[in-house]
Amino acid sequence: ELKVEQNPLFLSMQEGKNYTIYCNYSTTSDRLYWYRQDPGKSLESLFVLLSNGAVKQEGRLMASLDTKARLSTLHITAAVHDLSATYFCAYTGTASKLTFGTGTRLQVTL
Amino acid sequence: DTGVSQDPRHKITKRGQNVTFRCDPISEHNRLYWYRQTLGQGPEFLTYFQNEAQLEKSRLLSDRFSAERPKGSFSTLEIQRTEQGDSAMYLCASSLFQIGQVTQYFGPGTRLLVL
Repeated sequence: ELKVEQNPLFLSMQEGKNYTIYCNYSTTSDRLYWYRQDPGKSLESLFVLLSNGAVKQEGRLMASLDTKARLSTLHITAAVHDLSATYFCAYTGTASKLTFGTGTRLQVTL
Repeated sequence: DTGVSQDPRHKITKRGQNVTFRCDPISEHNRLYWYRQTLGQGPEFLTYFQNEAQLEKSRLLSDRFSAERPKGSFSTLEIQRTEQGDSAMYLCASSLFQIGQVTQYFGPGTRLLVL
């Protein structure tokens, strides 16, 4: 069974701190996606990582991909309250469908 | 607004009733996907179309579920004889299937509550 595991499932962090969310997936894939979801809202695309060693950055978020380890990370630098949301990683294998992780609920506190 | 749109945004129905949801993808996108998301979980794939052809259906999609994309533009998802377990957010996404284009863009979702 194809699986995507994220950890932690819940993260409470103070503003200004750094942290990393981990995403392990169970199949060979060179396409890894990160999405953000605010409560009651739909999913917003953050990053698409297309090859081993890919690194992308947008503001305080940076995502990386290690296809050999089947691991992607989402690093948060100097968190701010606006980053509070649930973050999902997902991959596509040979099919085009996205297989999502369970999500990491991030809460940034003052 | 040129994003993915879904209608209705909310639907409350009684068990046993039929419901139909509509998704309008981004206009030039040839692929359209349906996902279902229950509370506290990630979205789960249901089915997808390339143009009007339905290319894959999940085992989650029981016989009570049917999806169409008759002209390769908008799509409908129908649930017959709804059950309480069908309560979820139904998300539609679209993408342009060509080299270099891989992102799926999601609509706002239809939240279904079956009483």
